[in-house]
Amino acid sequence: GQSLEQPSEVTAVEGAIVQINCTYQTSGFYGLSWYQQHDGGAPTFLSYNALDGLEETGRFSSFLSRSDSYGYLLLQELQMKDSASYFCAASGAGSYQLTFGKGTKLSVIP
Amino acid sequence: SAVISQKPSRDICQRGTSLTIQCQVDSQVTMMFWYRQQPGQSLTLIATANQGSEATYESGFVIDKFPISRPNLTFSTLTVSNMSPEDSSIYLCSVDGGNEKLFFGSGTQLSVL
Repeated sequence: GQSLEQPSEVTAVEGAIVQINCTYQTSGFYGLSWYQQHDGGAPTFLSYNALDGLEETGRFSSFLSRSDSYGYLLLQELQMKDSASYFCAASGAGSYQLTFGKGTKLSVIP
Repeated sequence: SAVISQKPSRDICQRGTSLTIQCQVDSQVTMMFWYRQQPGQSLTLIATANQGSEATYESGFVIDKFPISRPNLTFSTLTVSNMSPEDSSIYLCSVDGGNEKLFFGSGTQLSVL
């Protein structure tokens, strides 16, 4: 099985940079994904890391360190619309199933 | 990408009744997944639905309570049976979009009185 830990809430100022951390304990870990969910909306895929290092997609970047069982999502140039919940999710080798963390509620303030 | 239509979007049901949630995908997919998300909580996988075979349920979820149909490669239903207030939750279907990416339906918000 797998379990993931992430902060429950983060507040940041518009235009700033914020990092949301995720640590995991797994058996058969394969990769780490990140999803964004606005209130009342469906989760949407942001990024995926299977290898160590940084993956960049526009304002969002995601990092993975397999040796440390740790990853993070980095959001740059924060905008008010980035206020949402962010979930890290771990996948196991040979499995399509994801185990989600409890989510981090990001509030972007002016 | 995959476009997923899920309905109903919300419902209020009486204790002891059942509700069937439908999920339609705009392309053929091998696996469909049903998740539950309780208010302010994370997503918990209920079961994996493959076309032509019985659904595979996760620990804590049983077929009698959450029967699933998967008649073809674009459609699935999840029934929440004999509902109680503890079943009040958001139910989401999802499909594998490749490269470890899941696409989700818009969800069904269920309230049981």
